[in-house]
Amino acid sequence: GDSVTQMEGPVTLSEEAFLTINCTYTATGYPSLFWYVQYPGEGLQLLLKATKADDKGSNKGFEATYRKETTSFHLEKGSVQVSDSAVYFCAGGGFKTIFGAGTRLFVKA
Amino acid sequence: GAVVSQHPSWVICKSGTSVKIECRSLDFQATTMFWYRQFPKQSLMLMATSNEGSKATYEQGVEKDKFLINHASLTLSTLTVTSAHPEDSSFYICSARPGLGSGTGEQYFGPGTRLTVT
Repeated sequence: GDSVTQMEGPVTLSEEAFLTINCTYTATGYPSLFWYVQYPGEGLQLLLKATKADDKGSNKGFEATYRKETTSFHLEKGSVQVSDSAVYFCAGGGFKTIFGAGTRLFVKA
Repeated sequence: GAVVSQHPSWVICKSGTSVKIECRSLDFQATTMFWYRQFPKQSLMLMATSNEGSKATYEQGVEKDKFLINHASLTLSTLTVTSAHPEDSSFYICSARPGLGSGTGEQYFGPGTRLTVT
């Protein structure tokens, strides 16, 4: 069945460091792909999305490119801030969305 | 836009009682809503798909008689945890997908309801 695999955390970075969180998917066909963020004590928010191969989603300095050849959708940010500390979920799917396990990010000042 | 609310945000109940959680799409209509369960520091587990005007579709391993779902209108779905036990304590999250068909776009999530069964 469909699945989403993302790198385990926690990931701890200093402010202004470069961030990469890896995500790969296994699916029949080419599903839409998403990154969601969950800040402490809050619900999930859509961070960015891509609906087809080679699409790049971007928002708040975060980017991810839908790579069909590697079935990947890695999340990147060039310079993280303390306020980016949260749990990041990679997700994909058609009608039903499958979530990865989540990666907790800590950014130190 | 695209706001989903849940009520209550947290609830404590005694073992054996039932608890109802509401999920509302405030500014859009949604034929389909989803109910998830999230354990501490874990990912979301899809419990069921709530379909307006028809029965919910439950994921494998989810007891439909224990987790009753009713999708009363295009903006409201409810999850009732019947005869709750301490192992049902969890964070329950709903989401709604805008539109009146079975689309494949993003979902908008409610803030979640923390259930504690004592």
